[in-house]
Amino acid sequence: QQQVKQSPQSLIVQKGGISIINCAYENTAFDYFPWYQQFPGKGPALLIAIRPDVSEKKEGRFTISFNKSAKQFSLHIMDSQPGDSATYFCAARGSGTSGSRLTFGEGTQLTVNP
Amino acid sequence: GAVVSQHPSRVICKSGTSVKIECRSLDFQATTMFWYRQFPKQSLMLMATSNEGSKATYEQGVEKDKFLINHASLTLSTLTVTSAHPEDSSFYICSATGGANTGELFFGEGSRLTVL
Repeated sequence: QQQVKQSPQSLIVQKGGISIINCAYENTAFDYFPWYQQFPGKGPALLIAIRPDVSEKKEGRFTISFNKSAKQFSLHIMDSQPGDSATYFCAARGSGTSGSRLTFGEGTQLTVNP
Repeated sequence: GAVVSQHPSRVICKSGTSVKIECRSLDFQATTMFWYRQFPKQSLMLMATSNEGSKATYEQGVEKDKFLINHASLTLSTLTVTSAHPEDSSFYICSATGGANTGELFFGEGSRLTVL
C-alpha cells in the first residue's frame, strides 16, 4: 500500500517547547522521507528530509528520527517558536527515478503559543 | 534552492468558463512536473504527473478531459480547468523536479481558484 499515516492531526505547544509529529508507512520500497512546512495560502516548502540508511538527521532546530524496522519516522522541533505555527506534512517516495510520486501524510496543524 | 513560480495566485471565474494556471521552473529544467489539489485543512492530492513532451499521467478519479495538462517545455507546465464548476474551487499546487536536484521536489506557491 502507498499510505502514510500522520499524527497528531493538531498540536498546541508553548513557546520553547518541543513539537513532535509522527508518521508511519507501509511500503518498504519507500526510500526518501521529506517533511514539508506549509503556511496558509502558500505552497509547501521542504523543511528536512532523510533516507533510510541513517536513523537521525538534524538541521538547526529540526530533527528527523527514522526507525526502519518499525516503519516510522518523526519530526522534532526543538525550542518551538510562534513563527513555527504552520501545517506540517510528512511524505514518502518510492525507489526509482526522481519522477516518482510523493505520498503525503494527512498533515498536522501546529500552533505555538507565545 | 530552486524556484517554481505559479500564476495566477488567485483567480475567480464564472461557472462554465475555463481557467489556465501556469507553473514555471525559473532556474532549472523540470523534467517532471506534478499537479496537486488541496481542499481546506486537507492534505495534497496528486492529480497528475507530466513529463516534458509526453502526455500527462492522471491519477484514478481525475478527469483528464476536465483538467488539461500541457508540459510543452522543460520550464513550463499548464493546468487548464475546463468548464469550471463551483466544486472545482480549490487550491491547486504544482511541483517540479529535475536538473541537478533530481532528488528533491520544489513546490509553487499555489493558485486559489474560486468558481462562482
